[in-house]
Amino acid sequence: GAGVSQSPSNKVTEKGKDVELRCDPISGHTALYWYRQSLGQGLEFLIYFQGNSAPDKSGLPSDRFSAERTGGSVSTLTIQRTQQEDSAVYLCASSASGRAGSYEQYFGPGTRLTVT
Amino acid sequence: GEDVEQSLFLSVREGDSSVINCTYTDSSSTYLYWYKQEPGAGLQLLTYIFSNMDMKQDQRLTVLLNKKDKHLSLRIADTQTGDSAIYFCAERTPRGGGNKLTFGTGTQLKVEL
Repeated sequence: GAGVSQSPSNKVTEKGKDVELRCDPISGHTALYWYRQSLGQGLEFLIYFQGNSAPDKSGLPSDRFSAERTGGSVSTLTIQRTQQEDSAVYLCASSASGRAGSYEQYFGPGTRLTVT
Repeated sequence: GEDVEQSLFLSVREGDSSVINCTYTDSSSTYLYWYKQEPGAGLQLLTYIFSNMDMKQDQRLTVLLNKKDKHLSLRIADTQTGDSAIYFCAERTPRGGGNKLTFGTGTQLKVEL
């Protein structure tokens, strides 16, 4: 595709509900990343997928957060039993892979999650 | 450890040059990036520099890297109102597989007429 797309663009949910956020990376990009941007803060790394390798989950804040990447393309970030502190903009990025290179990450427009 | 710092705000007059600064702590950083975020939008990659370079110029943008002091700067020449945005620097380091980025907190640039 032309760029990274994310859906929904906005999501309002009640505390305690589960939510799923979707990311479609740039076609051909084998690496996919999820970040979280909270109000007034920088970007916080959540999880990284590279090809068929085990994902780097080191940034997930709790076991309520999980992510999948099916067929090496589309990814879904799931937040179970949402809490108000989960309210943030969730950004997805993708990059081409290789042994060398700048690994520029291209970002989607984000999903703004509001937990009431 | 990984820590990237930026000043929070910068205000300049249209037509002047803007200089946005960033410091980082990981000396093993391989690439450093500058991203721009306009209100309600995702991050747009502006430019990047490899750690063995000390300068990179791309049209109105000049990136300076002082690896000894772990200091990165972005200079925007002839700043325009359309440059008003939040600017993030980010570093990529070999740790953890070498692909995740650590971002600064962002500098909000305001361009006044």
